[in-house]
Amino acid sequence: DGGITQSPKYLFRKEGQNVTLSCEQNLNHDAMYWYRQDPGQGLRLIYYSQIVNDFQKGDIAEGYSVSREKKESFPLTVTSAQKNPTAFYLCASRVPTGELFFGEGSRLTVL
Amino acid sequence: QKEVEQNSGPLSVPEGAIASLNCTYSDRGSQSFFWYRQYSGKSPELIMFIYSNGDKEDGRFTAQLNKASQYVSLLIRDSQPSDSATYLCAVKVSGGYNKLIFGAGTRLAVHP
Repeated sequence: DGGITQSPKYLFRKEGQNVTLSCEQNLNHDAMYWYRQDPGQGLRLIYYSQIVNDFQKGDIAEGYSVSREKKESFPLTVTSAQKNPTAFYLCASRVPTGELFFGEGSRLTVL
Repeated sequence: QKEVEQNSGPLSVPEGAIASLNCTYSDRGSQSFFWYRQYSGKSPELIMFIYSNGDKEDGRFTAQLNKASQYVSLLIRDSQPSDSATYLCAVKVSGGYNKLIFGAGTRLAVHP
């Protein structure tokens, strides 16, 4: 089945560690996105990529990094520079008509 | 800063009633509008999208758009307990790279 796979679903990190969240899609979509969601808040855009080898910062990119070496993959690294990384992270891809479809999310907790 | 505003709720409606969810946006150039449903602990799922002024119906759901008032709404007819979730409004802002901005969501509770 076509879809977006995020892993891991749950991740615990010690302060000062970098972690990488995986996002893979087999929908053949060009555009991919990373959002962060905190309790009681909407989704905030971290990074997005329109095509391979191209990506742009969203509204809250500080402390995060991404790569887009393959169309199918858009991993997000949460670096130690991100001061409050505990959140629900959502990866999405976009169909040509504009709708986003989301993966199941990754919940990161900093211990 | 382009914004999308929603009443956080909770909006409580009895089973079988019509639930009305509202959203306003600040970017007058926005052309595409989306409603997502998000169950607790899950990722958002697309319910509807609307691009033109007026109403768009899909089953029990109707999206309404008024670009002059910068207002988009979602009506849920014959509300069911399974509709209890948070509903997110998303707006594709003008310019740039197909960027969607989300509201904080309205929590809907449908009680039997």
